[in-house]
This record gives sequence, structure tokens and C-alpha cells, in this order.
Amino acid sequence: QSVLTQPPSVSGAPGQRVTISCTGSSSNIGAGYDVHWYRQLPGRAPKVLIYVNSNRPSGVPDRFSGSKSGTSASLAITGLQAEDDADYYCQSHDSSLSGSVFGGGTRLTVL
Amino acid sequence: QVQLQESGPGLVKPSQTLSLTCTVSGGSISGGNDYWSWIRQPAGKGLEWIGFIFTSGTTNYNPSLKSRVTISLDTSKNQFSLKLNSITAADTAVYYCAGQRSPYDVFDIWGQGTMVTVSS
Repeated sequence: QSVLTQPPSVSGAPGQRVTISCTGSSSNIGAGYDVHWYRQLPGRAPKVLIYVNSNRPSGVPDRFSGSKSGTSASLAITGLQAEDDADYYCQSHDSSLSGSVFGGGTRLTVL
Repeated sequence: QVQLQESGPGLVKPSQTLSLTCTVSGGSISGGNDYWSWIRQPAGKGLEWIGFIFTSGTTNYNPSLKSRVTISLDTSKNQFSLKLNSITAADTAVYYCAGQRSPYDVFDIWGQGTMVTVSS
């Protein structure tokens, strides 16, 4: 069971908007630690999508946005495209572990 | 740019020690990303942080694995390594090495991952 909770799956049609939630606790997100998001394609290593809650690395389209409030964070994807079909993970720091924690991952299916 | 590459046996027997090495190329292991971690992912499951080593040699491990894990650093070879002892089938996973600038930061550099199967 992961420290950060994500929905196991979400889906949407091309062009639609979806959001993926990431719920933590007072020892991680709620303690003010930043949240980062990754996209993982089958057989590949995770790749940074959003860092420090809402920042996009160069090359990541502005269809992807992140936000954080209280003990939760969210990843929003607008204008869904077939290539967005992948697994998405959130990550933060946890003071109990003094290390990183991940969400269980969310499988996004583009219908 | 800096790249990471994991290496090690793909098959390990139960009760033995799993040993993996991550080689940093294209830059110094002591420059920029100073926190080097091992992360694993069982098939069809999520990511689990195993532990990190700071370039000073300081380590920190996930409490769930702490009794079995050792992460070490060899700056002369630009490598860091993972040893996980008393392994069982539950340790079968893809193992990634990754780097952060601080323990609170994003993992902005990852190896491609190496599959380790625990079986007799």
C-alpha cells in the first residue's frame, strides 16, 4: 500500500480533460513538501512531467498542469491525445521516512 | 548530458544477496545531482524508493527494507551500488537508479532499469 493515494485508473476521450489526484498526509504533502509527477510508458523508466507542484520541464506541453493544496495534489491533462495513454505517478518527500514516497500509480486510458 | 546505467545479474537465488551497480556517465557523480537513489517496481505495481546515498557517503534507507539494504559509493569509478540481502521472490522487480539535487526534489535523471528475478 502506497503512502500517497492515487486512483488506480482514469479514462477520457480524445480532446477531453482528465484529472488525477494524489492524496497524502501531514508527514508528506501536508507538511509542505513539493509534489512531482511522472509519466511512465510500458517497459520504460518514469519521465518527469511536473516538478515542484506546477512546473513543466522544457518539452512538456502546456496541456499538462499541476496543483497542490493541503494534503493533496492534482495533475490535469487537457486536450487528451492517444499518446497520453500511460501510467502516471506522483512523488513527494515524507518526514517519517526521511525519504521519497510515491503514489500507487494511475493508468490513464484514452478511449 | 548525464546518463545512468544499471548493471548486475538478472537472476538471483532466494536467500542470496542482490548486487547492482549504477554507472554515471557524461558528468561527475559529485556534481549537480548529489543524492543518488535506488527505486524498484514489481511487475504491474507501483514505484518503491529503496534508499539514497549523498555524495558525502551519508545514506538513508526505506524503513521497510533498512535491515537488508546497503548503498555505497565509488567516486573514483563514478558509480554507486545496491546490496539487498536475504532476498525472496517478493524482491523480484525492475530496479532503477535515479538522481536528485536534494532529498525533497524530483528525480530528474533515471537509468533505464534492470529486471531482477529471484528464483531457484
